Parts: sequence; structure tokens; C-alpha cells
Amino acid sequence: AQSVAQPEDQVNVAEGNPLTVKCTYSVSGNPYLFWYVQYPNRGLQFLLKYITGDNLVKGSYGFEAEFNKSQTSFHLKKPSALVSDSALYFCAVRFGSSNTGKLIFGQGTTLQVKP
Amino acid sequence: DGGITQSPKYLFRKEGQNVTLSCEQNLNHDAMYWYRQDPGQGLRLIYYSQIVNDFQKGDIAEGYSVSREKKESFPLTVTSAQKNPTAFYLCASSLRSGGSTDTQYFGPGTRLTVL
Repeated sequence: AQSVAQPEDQVNVAEGNPLTVKCTYSVSGNPYLFWYVQYPNRGLQFLLKYITGDNLVKGSYGFEAEFNKSQTSFHLKKPSALVSDSALYFCAVRFGSSNTGKLIFGQGTTLQVKP
Repeated sequence: DGGITQSPKYLFRKEGQNVTLSCEQNLNHDAMYWYRQDPGQGLRLIYYSQIVNDFQKGDIAEGYSVSREKKESFPLTVTSAQKNPTAFYLCASSLRSGGSTDTQYFGPGTRLTVL
């Protein structure tokens, strides 16, 4: 079955340290991968996406993600975390063969950045 | 959240009542989506529409209905048949119907509570 997994419910980092939020996927065919962030009682904000080309994708607010086809992963990273980065992060995947535009979302990972 | 509005922000429903959640977009997007978010379960697709006057069931359509009479509007009705409607509801849109590389943009959400 095609799916997305975020293996960590919560990630804790200290402000100024690098952060990683993990995402792995299981699909057949070419995946298109997305990261979103959600602040409390708000909608999802788009951070970045991988479609093709360079495996390292840069996005909003200093975030980046690396597509690794052999490990079927798309981990979100930031070199130096801010307290304001504390939020709920979702990874999502769509398949290249999809003609419906449907996204499959992971369960979400709560990022807590402490001062 | 820009370009997609949802109303109301908070909605309270009594048992046995139908309620309608509004979603409007001014992005000139063809495709629109409704998701339900429950704690720890990520986002689940309720209905989607790729073009005016057409829509398809998502993964959890039972107890919900939609219409797409105008390109910019995609209202969701939560009927009395939905047994557990208390949740956070998110509307999204993307540029093209079936656009597999297109980003979905989200509204701010409506929190529905059954009294």
C-alpha cells in the first residue's frame, strides 16, 4: 500500500541547534513529496516540495529537505532552530501517475524548540 | 492561508443537525479539497472536486456532502449521519485538476464541536 510515515511523534531540540524531522514513504512509481507546517488552530502552510532534479530542496523560513530515493526518505532539516519553529509538521506524497491530485499525509511530528 | 477563506472559524452543532462549512478561494484554482483532522491521525480526505459541477468521494465521505456550483466555492455539509463529527476541517485548493506536481494551499480551518 502507498503510504507516508513520520516515525517520531515529537522532536525536541535546543534553540540554535540543527533540527531534523523524518519522513519515509512507500510508493510505486515516482513520488512527489511535500512538507507543510501547522501552528495551533491554523491551516497548513506550504514549506517546500520535491518534484525532480536536485535532491536537496530549499524552502521557506530556512528549511530544506533531502530526497533520498534509495532510502525512500524525505527528511526536513534546518541548520539552526528557532523557538518560533515550534509547530506541527506534516510530510505528504503524491504519485506521479496520479490524475486526481490527491495527497497522502503522514501522521505529523510535533517540533518543540526550547530556548 | 492567503487566498482561501473558511467560515465560520468555530461552529457548534447539536445532535441531529446538519451544518454547512464554507470554503471560498480567489486563486482561480480548478481543484478543491476537504480534509478532516483529528489529533494524532493526520489529515484524511473527505471529498475533492477537480472541476465545477463534478466531485468525488475521498477516503471518509460517509456522513458528508458537497457541491461545486462555482469555481471559487466548495461548501461541505456535515449531516446528522456523521456519527463523530467533532474535528478540525480544512479546505484546500490547487491550480489544475489532476495536477500531480501542483501544491495544495490550505484555508485557516473550521473547528466543529458537537454539543
